Amino acid sequence: GESVGLHLPTLSVQEGDNSIINCAYSNSASDYFIWYKQESGKGPQFIIDIRSNMDKRQGQRVTVLLNKTVKHLSLQIAATQPGDSAVYFCAENIGYGQNFVFGPGTRLSVLP
Amino acid sequence: SAVISQKPSRDICQRGTSLTIQCQVDSQVTMMFWYRQQPGQSLTLIATANQGSEATYESGFVIDKFPISRPNLTFSTLTVSNMSPEDSSIYLCSVDLDRGDEKLFFGSGTQLSVL
Repeated sequence: GESVGLHLPTLSVQEGDNSIINCAYSNSASDYFIWYKQESGKGPQFIIDIRSNMDKRQGQRVTVLLNKTVKHLSLQIAATQPGDSAVYFCAENIGYGQNFVFGPGTRLSVLP
Repeated sequence: SAVISQKPSRDICQRGTSLTIQCQVDSQVTMMFWYRQQPGQSLTLIATANQGSEATYESGFVIDKFPISRPNLTFSTLTVSNMSPEDSSIYLCSVDLDRGDEKLFFGSGTQLSVL
């Protein structure tokens, strides 16, 4: 389930289950979104992106869904593995130049 | 993507001192960015560094505290000046690879602790 930790909300899932990480973005004019994965001691790693003219995009084991009506973004990870344990951030490009605003992050914990 | 190397990877510093963080990219890029990630928190843009021009700072960040250099298209430095414990954070370099797709890639970060 999902819970709010000291700083980050945490999602705990069983290995092999699907994970859904949610993000509410701030600006209705944002036209480009990225999901990042950050493992401990590392920089954010690009996972998948989506533009505002799409509502779904699939990668390898990951799917991003965009609902512009409610300004909501989600990342779905299929068959979650221990290596998926990390903090996941959504980022929105608010439209002028390169100006990304990052969400607060969600810690994904994969249980054996 | 690209190889983005940051040095040092971590450091422990005394208050009042300054630390310069280096970022090296294995390809030429127009735009480089410096972010701060405070403990347990998300990323905040400090400034944008384009070669040949002054860095552009975001609200709440000033050049005297975070001077930036961008001497060429593959390298940048960020200095954290006159440090206090509140400056303890991860500092991240990121780049746009000039492919026209706006994707942002990050270095591995510099973990800074100020005593």
